[in-house]
Amino acid sequence: ILNVEQSPQSLHVQEGDSTNFTCSFPSSNFYALHWYRWETAKSPEALFVMTLNGDEKKKGRISATLNTKEGYSYLYIKGSQPEDSATYLCAVDSNYQLIWGAGTKLIIKP
Amino acid sequence: DGGITQSPKYLFRKEGQNVTLSCEQNLNHDAMYWYRQDPGQGLRLIYYSQIVNDFQKGDIAEGYSVSREKKESFPLTVTSAQKNPTAFYLCASMGRTGNQPQHFGDGTRLSIL
Repeated sequence: ILNVEQSPQSLHVQEGDSTNFTCSFPSSNFYALHWYRWETAKSPEALFVMTLNGDEKKKGRISATLNTKEGYSYLYIKGSQPEDSATYLCAVDSNYQLIWGAGTKLIIKP
Repeated sequence: DGGITQSPKYLFRKEGQNVTLSCEQNLNHDAMYWYRQDPGQGLRLIYYSQIVNDFQKGDIAEGYSVSREKKESFPLTVTSAQKNPTAFYLCASMGRTGNQPQHFGDGTRLSIL
């Protein structure tokens, strides 16, 4: 059974600081790696879908990298703002079924 | 605008009652999914469907049933056999061409009376 792990479970960051967190997964049966942002009282919103080893994607102050050989992805947030407070989920696409991590809850302190 | 609509937003179930959660999408996606979220836990897959008239059990299918008679619709029935149905339920859909993300509805919160 594919197991996707995210760390840390939660993170408090001072406004203006940069931060990053990790998604780990088995490197076999890998099709794609998804990152989502889930704000309270809203539905999860897709950030990135990544497939190739060494892939890097960027959306504003948020970026992600992918290493399929060693089975991890990093999500980076530069210059954290209060609106970045959310739970960040990663998921591995294994033949159109997403296997989800438990998420990293990010809290930005003003 | 294209999207996924879940209804109702809040639902209450009596003991021994079956309830059905609605999920409709106009994104022309082939694949649809039902997830359950409990406090402090990640998303757990209940059922998914990759094509009309076909669906597969996820990790926690016991006590639930689904149908996929139309591409746009994937209703979830929470049966009386589901002994702990109180949770937040999310429906999602995904295109099967290219590497597309999942799109989510706003969720249904189910509680027991």
